[in-house]
Amino acid sequence: QQQVKQSPQSLIVQKGGISIINCAYENTAFDYFPWYQQFPGKGPALLIAIRPDVSEKKEGRFTISFNKSAKQFSLHIMDSQPGDSATYFCAASNRGSTLGRLYFGRGTQLTVWP
Amino acid sequence: EAGVAQSPRYKIIEKRQSVAFWCNPISGHATLYWYQQILGQGPKLLIQFQNNGVVDDSQLPKDRFSAERLKGVDSTLKIQPAKLEDSAVYLCASSQTSGESFGTQYFGPGTRLTVL
Repeated sequence: QQQVKQSPQSLIVQKGGISIINCAYENTAFDYFPWYQQFPGKGPALLIAIRPDVSEKKEGRFTISFNKSAKQFSLHIMDSQPGDSATYFCAASNRGSTLGRLYFGRGTQLTVWP
Repeated sequence: EAGVAQSPRYKIIEKRQSVAFWCNPISGHATLYWYQQILGQGPKLLIQFQNNGVVDDSQLPKDRFSAERLKGVDSTLKIQPAKLEDSAVYLCASSQTSGESFGTQYFGPGTRLTVL
């Protein structure tokens, strides 16, 4: 059973455009929602994370929007650059119960055209 | 601060052979994870250690996979015997159990296993 559902599977955006990736979850006990970025041949690296007590978190060009009632969260990449081309994974965990076990989405392969 | 180290980076074996992967977590990180990442999918947790004890191994195919974390630092993951469907990248991650970074997992580069 997929605990976190992610869409789209792939995304092509022009340089300077906005990239939007969406995720949905069912377990209301989740209290930590990170996004990871993975380049080919590398392990995933934490990009940005949010807790459910805030609706939005912004770090540079990356913003997480969180909708607790809808059990959805999304990643927005403003002014997308070719260097942002990578696979993005959303994830969720209940840090209190399972010592931080992360449930990952299936990933979105982002390609930014120059 | 040194990151999570893994070796080897690549391994090619034939089915029914054995293989072992090694992981050295970030210094001071008590929690260590092994994930399996099949091409085109997100990482799937295989086993989670807290120090040298197993916290969660519910997704580990115990008939062929085993893992240990002696002395609560380095860890090895073994597959014996390997099957074709074990072809994947095996990722090791570590995290702190408290503090500002609690919940953040730091991943190694992974070992790409190909089973022929």
